[in-house]
Amino acid sequence: SAVISQKPSRDICQRGTSLTIQCQVDSQVTMMFWYRQQPGQSLTLIATANQGSEATYESGFVIDKFPISRPNLTFSTLTVSNMSPEDSSIYLCSAQGLGTEAFFGQGTRLTVV
Amino acid sequence: DAKTTQPPSMDCAEGRAANLPCNHSTISGNEYVYWYRQIHSQGPQYIIHGLKNNETNEMASLIITEDRKSSTLILPHATLRDTAVYYCIGSNAGGTSYGKLTFGQGTILTVHP
Repeated sequence: SAVISQKPSRDICQRGTSLTIQCQVDSQVTMMFWYRQQPGQSLTLIATANQGSEATYESGFVIDKFPISRPNLTFSTLTVSNMSPEDSSIYLCSAQGLGTEAFFGQGTRLTVV
Repeated sequence: DAKTTQPPSMDCAEGRAANLPCNHSTISGNEYVYWYRQIHSQGPQYIIHGLKNNETNEMASLIITEDRKSSTLILPHATLRDTAVYYCIGSNAGGTSYGKLTFGQGTILTVHP
């Protein structure tokens, strides 16, 4: 099955700064998604990353805070902007190809201090 | 996506079958039942999915009731490595929802020696 690589795997960032997380899939996929998992909680979908166009955000998430790019069928980035301690979470990339189930990367563990 | 209800936690002895229940009484006719699990500090891992019929793969079996209002995931011979949070998800596998998963709180399965 396809593999997702996320970078960085973890980071500690100062409040007010931004972090860009990269998601690379080893094969072309149809859909790519970004999720957030706050400490002790389940996963929440942030947005669908659309190739060559603006991402589609779920309720409660906005582009200014979480800009997303998807320049091609295998790569996407999520930026967490102007970070605060409340942004400390695990951020996960997911992808799905035609006829396959959705699969996930190992996540990026972000701590904001 | 259909709302699912799972027990918050379950225990199982190593080598025994683990039977994880899920209620999804509001599931619609075109929604599949997906099971994922998340082992500590890892991304969710796909286990199995089904629509109406019972399904089996190398990891588990999925039993769906005839009225589709509930299902049971069966791990036939649980090992310590099966300790994880198990998520039951009702999801429309097509259209604008393709690949999008709505995670509930899941069931924490602890396998004991």
